[in-house]
Amino acid sequence: DTAVSQTPKYLVTQMGNDKSIKCEQNLGHDTMYWYKQDSKKFLKIMFSYNNKELIINETVPNRFSPKSPDKAHLNLHINSLELGDSAVYFCASKGRGQGIGNEQFFGPGTRLTVL
Amino acid sequence: AQKVTQAQTEISVVEKEDVTLDCVYETRDTTYYLFWYKQPPSGELVFLIRRNSFDEQNEISGRYSWNFQKSTSSFNFTITASQVVDSAVYFCALSELITGGGNKLTFGTGTQLKVEL
Repeated sequence: DTAVSQTPKYLVTQMGNDKSIKCEQNLGHDTMYWYKQDSKKFLKIMFSYNNKELIINETVPNRFSPKSPDKAHLNLHINSLELGDSAVYFCASKGRGQGIGNEQFFGPGTRLTVL
Repeated sequence: AQKVTQAQTEISVVEKEDVTLDCVYETRDTTYYLFWYKQPPSGELVFLIRRNSFDEQNEISGRYSWNFQKSTSSFNFTITASQVVDSAVYFCALSELITGGGNKLTFGTGTQLKVEL
């Protein structure tokens, strides 16, 4: 039983294309996130949704648009892909219980390669 | 602003050696949480431990132990009798409360641990 799943696992595309990455969690969590891990392994938060409402929007180009159709899903759409968008994108979710103390559960990651 | 520093970029040890991964953090919050995550070569992020700012008790879990010292803003991680399977990138992270009910994790840059035979 996968707690946080992402599709696709690998995505190779040309510059200028539009692509989406899907994320689903079956943990009943309220909050979901998108992180970007660059080639140097640096992990940085991009977005967070709580109960389908956007609560964190870091300095991310507006070519990136998250969409949360329901609490269990948080998708990431990227327009006009650029070479610098190549990275591993992680989805994560967190339960409400201990507030900021709850750990985030991460998906397996989507490796995006822009050619 | 929150900041997490993992000064050790890469550490190489021989199996069975003990190794300590350093983590130093900065925050203005009085209530915060610290985390360690492991990222093995397969790429997933695995939660290891959580510690809140009011609990300075050290924790031991098998070969893993954590030393939280508020006075030095450090949350170090020690692996005793390291094994090849411990080879991974280890991330320290700091949690801050965000308006709206979520939290935001600020990650350190990670320490690549290589355990060789």
